[in-house]
Amino acid sequence: GQNIDQPTEMTATEGAIVQINCTYQTSGFNGLFWYQQHAGEAPTFLSYNVLDGLEEKGRFSSFLSRSKGYSYLLLKELQMKDSASYLCAVLDSNYQLIWGAGTKLIIKP
Amino acid sequence: ETGVTQTPRHLVMGMTNKKSLKCEQHLGHNAMYWYKQSAKKPLELMFVYSLEERVENNSVPSRFSPECPNSSHLFLHLHTLQPEDSALYLCASSRTEENTDTQYFGPGTRLTVL
Repeated sequence: GQNIDQPTEMTATEGAIVQINCTYQTSGFNGLFWYQQHAGEAPTFLSYNVLDGLEEKGRFSSFLSRSKGYSYLLLKELQMKDSASYLCAVLDSNYQLIWGAGTKLIIKP
Repeated sequence: ETGVTQTPRHLVMGMTNKKSLKCEQHLGHNAMYWYKQSAKKPLELMFVYSLEERVENNSVPSRFSPECPNSSHLFLHLHTLQPEDSALYLCASSRTEENTDTQYFGPGTRLTVL
């Protein structure tokens, strides 16, 4: 079966750095997405990786290793507004998105 | 604002009621999706419409009935729901010609079935 694993919850301190991991086992791979979802709001697109390596977008970076079935989302200089759930999703060989259950990130002052 | 709107934002209904959820996208996309989001579970894909034709129905009970009258609008008609259907229902859209097929989501309808 297809599976996406990510931690259920993480806590970090304002101003610090946090890394949210995602491992996947899917039938084929056509890219990996990270979305941010604040409570009661729409998931919003953060990043897309299809090649190995690190993609940087301001305070957020996303890394992919296809051989290891592994990705992480790195958040730097954490702000209180970064408190949200972070969803990892993989586009499989049928171009269907397979979703993880999300990681709830709690930022403390 | 993601360019995808959903109404109502909150809905409480009894098991014998009939209601409809509405989604509208202003992004010029040609594919639309309904998802169910329950606490601590992955998003569950319910229906996919591409170019106004239903291309996917993931074994969803018949008490959920989708309708896509044009590429900008998507409805989910609800009837005789069960309490376990209480969840956040998310609509999304995408442009299927793009390889990344990035989906853009609406804010969802929080549904409570009594």
